[in-house]
Amino acid sequence: QQQVKQSPQSLIVQKGGISIINCAYENTAFDYFPWYQQFPGKGPALLIAIRPDVSEKKEGRFTISFNKSAKQFSLHIMDSQPGDSATYFCAASTLGGSRLTFGEGTQLTVNP
Amino acid sequence: EAGVVQSPRYKIIEKKQPVAFWCNPISGHNTLYWYLQNLGQGPELLIRYENEEAVDDSQLPKDRFSAERLKGVDSTLKIQPAELGDSAVYLCASSKRQGATDTQYFGPGTRLTVL
Repeated sequence: QQQVKQSPQSLIVQKGGISIINCAYENTAFDYFPWYQQFPGKGPALLIAIRPDVSEKKEGRFTISFNKSAKQFSLHIMDSQPGDSATYFCAASTLGGSRLTFGEGTQLTVNP
Repeated sequence: EAGVVQSPRYKIIEKKQPVAFWCNPISGHNTLYWYLQNLGQGPELLIRYENEEAVDDSQLPKDRFSAERLKGVDSTLKIQPAELGDSAVYLCASSKRQGATDTQYFGPGTRLTVL
């Protein structure tokens, strides 16, 4: 059972543009929603995370928007840079992050 | 602070052979995870340890996969015998709960190819 659906599968953005990746979940028991960034040959690295008691969290160029009633959350990358080119995974967890369920990933390419 | 260490980074074996992966978590992290990542997909949890106890192994195929975490630090994941479908990246992660949040830190993974 796929509990976290992520879209789009791939995304191409011009340098300086905004990248937007969306995720939807089913399990209302999820209480922690992180985004991970993965470069080829590396393990996923935590980018930013949010808990369901807030609707938005911003860290530098990265923002999570969270809609609890719609069971959706999204990652916005402002002023996208070629160095942001990577695969991005949304995830959702119960137990505050101890049991992550990942989306299928979005391959982001930022053209110079 | 050193990250999660995994070895080997790459492994190529013939089907039906055994294989083992090793993980050293971040110092002080009492929770250790093993994930399977197929090409183009997100990681899937295989097993979670709290110290030396396996507290969540519901997704571990126990007929051929086994894991251990002796002394609550390093961990080994074993496959015996390996099948062609086991070709994937095996990721180890560790965490230390801080308040209500348990942030997981991943190692670089072991890429397994079964021929």
